Amino acid sequence: SQQGEEDPQALSIQEGENATMNCSYKTSINNLQWYRQNSGRGLVHLILIRSNEREKHSGRLRVTLDTSKKSSSLLITASRAADTASYFCATGETGANSKLTFGKGITLSVRP
Amino acid sequence: DTGVSQNPRHKITKRGQNVTFRCDPISEHNRLYWYRQTLGQGPEFLTYFQNEAQLEKSRLLSDRFSAERPKGSFSTLEIQRTEQGDSAMYLCASSRNQGTATGELFFGEGSRLTVL
Repeated sequence: SQQGEEDPQALSIQEGENATMNCSYKTSINNLQWYRQNSGRGLVHLILIRSNEREKHSGRLRVTLDTSKKSSSLLITASRAADTASYFCATGETGANSKLTFGKGITLSVRP
Repeated sequence: DTGVSQNPRHKITKRGQNVTFRCDPISEHNRLYWYRQTLGQGPEFLTYFQNEAQLEKSRLLSDRFSAERPKGSFSTLEIQRTEQGDSAMYLCASSRNQGTATGELFFGEGSRLTVL
């Protein structure tokens, strides 16, 4: 079963614009992670935010976590054509015996 | 290359045949995961190992599926009597022990299975 639900399912923006992707989940979590996947390739870890953190930055990435609303957002600033990929949120659930549960993903297209 | 390695990258087989995938994790990682991903979906958890012990299996893992990690290093995922519904990308990932929480997963490039 998939826990996270990303929103929107697809996003198309112009190079240089910011991209905001949202994720909602259902259960208590230890942490929430975002991954990126280029077509036909494996997933690459982008950022991890723990349940006691509210915001985290890494380069052009900013992630927020609101555990009261069971939601997270990923912001990519000053997007580039190379950011075109699928993005997934994944939750490490409390007591879930150390596995990540992924959402269905968001397809981001950045037009040059 | 010190990343996660998966073989074969592509496998085409006829329904009813058996297939085996191999995963070589990052050497110092003691946790190894298998996920399955179909087109347009996120990865779905199949099973995971801590060292050689298989600690959890998903209900998705029917009795036709078996995974092993005999020496706590590489792992194999075997599918017996393949069905067309088994067609998917099989992803392997590894990670360092993070206690009860799951830390960053390092994924391989996947093994794509097509069952005709």
